[in-house]
Amino acid sequence: AQSVTQLDSQVPVFEEAPVELRCNYSSSVSVYLFWYVQYPNQGLQLLLKYLSGSTLVESINGFEAEFNKSQTSFHLRKPSVHISDTAEYFCAVSAKAAGNKLTFGGGTRVLVKP
Amino acid sequence: DVKVTQSSRYLVKRTGEKVFLECVQDMDHENMFWYRQDPGLGLRLIYFSYDVKMKEKGDIPEGYSVSREKKERFSLILESASTNQTSMYLCASRLGGSGNIQYFGAGTRLSVL
Repeated sequence: AQSVTQLDSQVPVFEEAPVELRCNYSSSVSVYLFWYVQYPNQGLQLLLKYLSGSTLVESINGFEAEFNKSQTSFHLRKPSVHISDTAEYFCAVSAKAAGNKLTFGGGTRVLVKP
Repeated sequence: DVKVTQSSRYLVKRTGEKVFLECVQDMDHENMFWYRQDPGLGLRLIYFSYDVKMKEKGDIPEGYSVSREKKERFSLILESASTNQTSMYLCASRLGGSGNIQYFGAGTRLSVL
């Protein structure tokens, strides 16, 4: 079985400040890792994913996440946030062998203040 | 672009009613999923389907059933709605194979009174 822990349920941050959202997972097998974002009144959208290769992955809107196998973490960072980054962010894991089922963390709500 | 459409954004039902939530995807994806989303709990998998007429229980199937008669459509059924099923329900679809991502619908917010 696998599980995902997002350590912060809410993160208030000022515009143009950096933000880090923490994600730790547990799994007995190799995994794929994902960050999804949910803007107000919308469904989830993929932000970025780690499948293999470079442990640092980036999104088109300035977010990045680093896979750390020894610490079983996949923290999400952005050096300078915008008001439009206000959303809920979900970390998710799926076992490589099973491939289909995603296990989600509890979510981190980011509120960007002017 | 992949489109996953959930038939209703908001639903209000009474305790004991039979409730159908419909989901349609337009990308010929083999896999489809139903989740419920509750504050602080993230998304929890209710049921999923690998193919037409195939279904498997997720982590919280109690009180729910599903139907997949056509590849593009996956229905979630609450046989007798209860107040503890008040929640946001999200449908997703995915191309079969390892590492492929899930695409989500906008969600249905169900209130059971």
